Amino acid sequence: NAGVTQTPKFQVLKTGQSMTLQCAQDMNHNSMYWYRQDPGMGLRLIYYSASEGTTDKGEVPNGYNVSRLNKREFSLRLESAAPSQTSVYFCASSRLAGRTMYNEQFFGPGTRLTVL
Amino acid sequence: RKEVEQDPGPFNVPEGATVAFNCTYSNSASQSFFWYRQDCRKEPKLLMSVYSSGNEDGRFTAQLNRASQYISLLIRDSKLSDSATYLCVVNTNAGNMLTFGGGTRLMVKP
Repeated sequence: NAGVTQTPKFQVLKTGQSMTLQCAQDMNHNSMYWYRQDPGMGLRLIYYSASEGTTDKGEVPNGYNVSRLNKREFSLRLESAAPSQTSVYFCASSRLAGRTMYNEQFFGPGTRLTVL
Repeated sequence: RKEVEQDPGPFNVPEGATVAFNCTYSNSASQSFFWYRQDCRKEPKLLMSVYSSGNEDGRFTAQLNRASQYISLLIRDSKLSDSATYLCVVNTNAGNMLTFGGGTRLMVKP
């Protein structure tokens, strides 16, 4: 049981390049999330998918797109990377969607992205 | 004002010490509360949920004060392995969207 996996672990891009960050979970979770973590800012939600077939914007969605490919996989795409998108990106998943309190989120190991 | 605020630290304490962190949140409609632990260059992991009545898990005690809108984490008998960043996390809406504080860094010294 691998939990939440992310690829790649590290990536360096030039301004304007595009890339897709991949995330998969094998825990049969309904909800999946993409966060970015910057020094002193905490984790900020980019997009989330409450259930297969749905996606919604989080706190900082500009410059990103997402695809919930199936129940297991949730990808994050940067269409035209900018230096401001240099960050650590974490994918997470949780078992239940909707009105559930105390619903633990499990995180992947992160992708460290640098945009030059 | 940030929705969830924490003292970034670092808190430098000797082994065996008791240390406490506080966290304040701005949205009085917040419904559930957590402490996550994040080791250097690793992903966050759930340490404990924080219940209205307060709860304890071994050396860790969490308290919630809804009237003053703060959450606390107490660590007794600190171990070297407790060195990490502790993230205060709040669920403000019913859709399991979490808001994270910036984290408090703890360093336990021999």
